[in-house]
Amino acid sequence: GQNIDQPTEMTATEGAIVQINCTYQTSGFNGLFWYQQHAGEAPTFLSYNVLDGLEEKGRFSSFLSRSKGYSYLLLKELQMKDSASYLCAVSGGSYIPTFGRGTSLIVHP
Amino acid sequence: KAGVTQTPRYLIKTRGQQVTLSCSPISGHRSVSWYQQTPGQGLQFLFEYFSETQRNKGNFPGRFSGRQFSNSRSEMNVSTLELGDSALYLCASSLNGVPYNEQFFGPGTRLTVL
Repeated sequence: GQNIDQPTEMTATEGAIVQINCTYQTSGFNGLFWYQQHAGEAPTFLSYNVLDGLEEKGRFSSFLSRSKGYSYLLLKELQMKDSASYLCAVSGGSYIPTFGRGTSLIVHP
Repeated sequence: KAGVTQTPRYLIKTRGQQVTLSCSPISGHRSVSWYQQTPGQGLQFLFEYFSETQRNKGNFPGRFSGRQFSNSRSEMNVSTLELGDSALYLCASSLNGVPYNEQFFGPGTRLTVL
């Protein structure tokens, strides 16, 4: 089966850096995705990792270690608008994506 | 370029009824995936259609079905509604679907079953 774990909630200060972790156990692996979802809105794609290492995209970076079944999303220079839920999802052997429950990030001044 | 659209945005039904939800993908996108999102279970994959064929299916009962038309528009049907079907139903489109590397989500249809 598939299992995705990520913290339920995190808080951070505006301007700071926050790291959201995701661990997974899946049958097969075809990539790991991070999505951002603001309350009442649809998820929006942030990143996709299929090889080990760090992918940087502006203020957001995503890291993957396939051998450890581990990923993190790094958000730098936090802004109030970054307050949202961050979803980790893994595409398993059948390409069907399994999502974690999401990490609710609260950024305060 | 217009985004993914879903209709209706809100729906209230009673137990035992059936419902059809519609999704229009981004122009040129051939893959449409459907998801159910609830506070308890999070986001769960229902199925994916590509070129009018169901290519993948999640772990949902047969009451949940879908189809895709030649213009890539997709519909999802839920028959014999249960209270537990109350959820936000999201569709997402991508160019070719596999391996779901970038999907664009629609705003969702909020279904309430009374």
